[in-house]
Amino acid sequence: SSVLTQPPSVSVAPGQTARFTCGGNNIGRRSVSWYQQKPGQAPVLVIYYDSDRPSGIPERFSGSNSGNTATLTISRVEAGDEADYYCQVWDNSSGHPEFGGGAMLTVL
Amino acid sequence: QVQLQESGPGLVKPSETLSLTCTVSGGSISSYYWSWIRQPPGKGLEWIGYIYYSGYSKYNPSLESRVTISPDTSKNQFSLKLSSVTAADTAVYFCARIYGSGSFYADSWGQGTLVTVSS
Repeated sequence: SSVLTQPPSVSVAPGQTARFTCGGNNIGRRSVSWYQQKPGQAPVLVIYYDSDRPSGIPERFSGSNSGNTATLTISRVEAGDEADYYCQVWDNSSGHPEFGGGAMLTVL
Repeated sequence: QVQLQESGPGLVKPSETLSLTCTVSGGSISSYYWSWIRQPPGKGLEWIGYIYYSGYSKYNPSLESRVTISPDTSKNQFSLKLSSVTAADTAVYFCARIYGSGSFYADSWGQGTLVTVSS
């Protein structure tokens, strides 16, 4: 089981805002990354260092991290955003990454 | 932009060794860290391990006794060997580049390859 807790699903209507949470003890002290994975495809990095976006990722994707919860926010959700979303931290004490269990976005 | 491609057998018998290769193009493996990550059908992502081109490696403690990841700088590839496989090792296996400073993330991924463990 993962040390990062993600609610398994999020459902929103097109044009609305989707929020994914990633819970962990003092996660605000770590850098969090987020990945989008569409069915049958490899994950794609959408957020790193809590809130930075790789080139090519729309500004609709944003991230924040404080206390025991990190959040990925997708504004103006589109049908093409339907996917699984995973959070990830790097555990500096053990020197390896940890993934959350993932959350499925359903666009109603 | 760096691209990664996994290759290897799609079917492995129980108790045998799973062997996969990741070929990197558009960049040299003589930089950065390189990782294997897997995803059992219908489940989440599981980190297997990573290497640096020099040979430094780090493995998931739950798999460490069975895993070896090795670089081949002459071919710009790195490989995964997982011994004594069981049906629980059936998964899509991804290779990825690990990037960052202080804290790291996987910024480039291969498309993944399904490996089924079955007799």
